[in-house]
Amino acid sequence: QQQVKQSPQSLIVQKGGISIINCAYENTAFDYFPWYQQFPGKGPALLIAIRPDVSEKKEGRFTISFNKSAKQFSLHIMDSQPGDSATYFCAASMEDNQGGKLIFGQGTELSVKP
Amino acid sequence: NAGVTQTPKFRVLKTGQSMTLLCAQDMNHEYMYWYRQDPGMGLRLIHYSVGEGTTAKGEVPDGYNVSRLKKQNFLLGLESAAPSQTSVYFCASSYASQGFTEAFFGQGTRLTVV
Repeated sequence: QQQVKQSPQSLIVQKGGISIINCAYENTAFDYFPWYQQFPGKGPALLIAIRPDVSEKKEGRFTISFNKSAKQFSLHIMDSQPGDSATYFCAASMEDNQGGKLIFGQGTELSVKP
Repeated sequence: NAGVTQTPKFRVLKTGQSMTLLCAQDMNHEYMYWYRQDPGMGLRLIHYSVGEGTTAKGEVPDGYNVSRLKKQNFLLGLESAAPSQTSVYFCASSYASQGFTEAFFGQGTRLTVV
């Protein structure tokens, strides 16, 4: 059972455009929603994260929008740059005494064309 | 500061062979995780540990065993490798804390079972 569903699987955007990646989750107990960025040959690294008590979080060109009632959240990359080309993963976890383990979406391969 | 280090980086096994993947972290993190990454599947949790001497099953534990004898090390074992275990394996670690918990990933081990 895939608890976090991510779309699209791949995305091509022109330089300067807006990249949008969407995720939906099932478990209402999730209370932490991070996005990870992965470059080829590297491990994922935390990009930005949000808690469900806010609807939006912005860090530079990266924004998370969160819709608790719809159980959906999305990543927006403004003014996309070729250096943003990477695989992006959404994830969710719940704070418990079982390690706060992350459940990941399937990933989106983003390519930003110059 | 090395962060999370995985050994080896690449390995080719024959079906039925065994091997151990080593993960070491120098951040004094309580929590450690093993994930596997497959195309279109995202990162799936194999096993995790919330402290020295403790381990627990994740989403896809079959065919794998783990041990955490020292706080800084988390070992993943394959007793009898199968082609279905061909994957990229990532180790991660995080603090034990309330609220946001960033997971730090190693650079991965690419395993091919032939």
